[in-house]
Amino acid sequence: DGGITQSPKYLFRKEGQNVTLSCEQNLNHDAMYWYRQDPGQGLRLIYYSQIVNDFQKGDIAEGYSVSREKKESFPLTVTSAQKNPTAFYLCASSIDYLYNEQFFGPGTRLTVL
Amino acid sequence: GENVEQHPSTLSVQEGDSAVIKCTYSDSASNYFPWYKQELGKRPQLIIDIRSNVGEKKDQRIAVTLNKTAKHFSLHITETQPEDSAVYFCAAVQGGGTSYGKLTFGQGTILTVHP
Repeated sequence: DGGITQSPKYLFRKEGQNVTLSCEQNLNHDAMYWYRQDPGQGLRLIYYSQIVNDFQKGDIAEGYSVSREKKESFPLTVTSAQKNPTAFYLCASSIDYLYNEQFFGPGTRLTVL
Repeated sequence: GENVEQHPSTLSVQEGDSAVIKCTYSDSASNYFPWYKQELGKRPQLIIDIRSNVGEKKDQRIAVTLNKTAKHFSLHITETQPEDSAVYFCAAVQGGGTSYGKLTFGQGTILTVHP
């Protein structure tokens, strides 16, 4: 289970606050991803990064932002513009962007109070 | 973009029976189809995958079949055991267009194996 970590495991935030979720990997993977998991909806792609200093919007990017300044790190910021941020967030990485197994972190459960 | 539909949403079987989960996809250019298993409280993990140049792939008790013409693929688990109980996700990777390489997941199937 090592190699890709997320912190914190649980996060509580008040409405109107921005919050940043951490994702770190030591697998030397080029590609990293952020997914949101809601009951009955599978995993939906928020943002992805094929290589350091580059990232693209996924299917549900509104209200989120990311950065990829280091190969090992891909933090996700949930902004106050995200209308329904309470969810389970999963970070993943893969050797490269195409056709490779994605390795997932343990997830962060965000609750907006 | 790609749309992946997964059925059934829940599946309950007796230990030793077989389980089948089916997925359909919309983008004929999709060419890689992984299956992930997520046990309760744990992260998803790849259990098997298939590429579009192969019709079937097997790994011990699990197998995946792909019908490119009909744009559907299925996961088959034989001789199910209680530890197979989990949520299973299918996915498809788009092989062209602006979303080239993007992985789209199905909605998930909750499999329960009763002892």
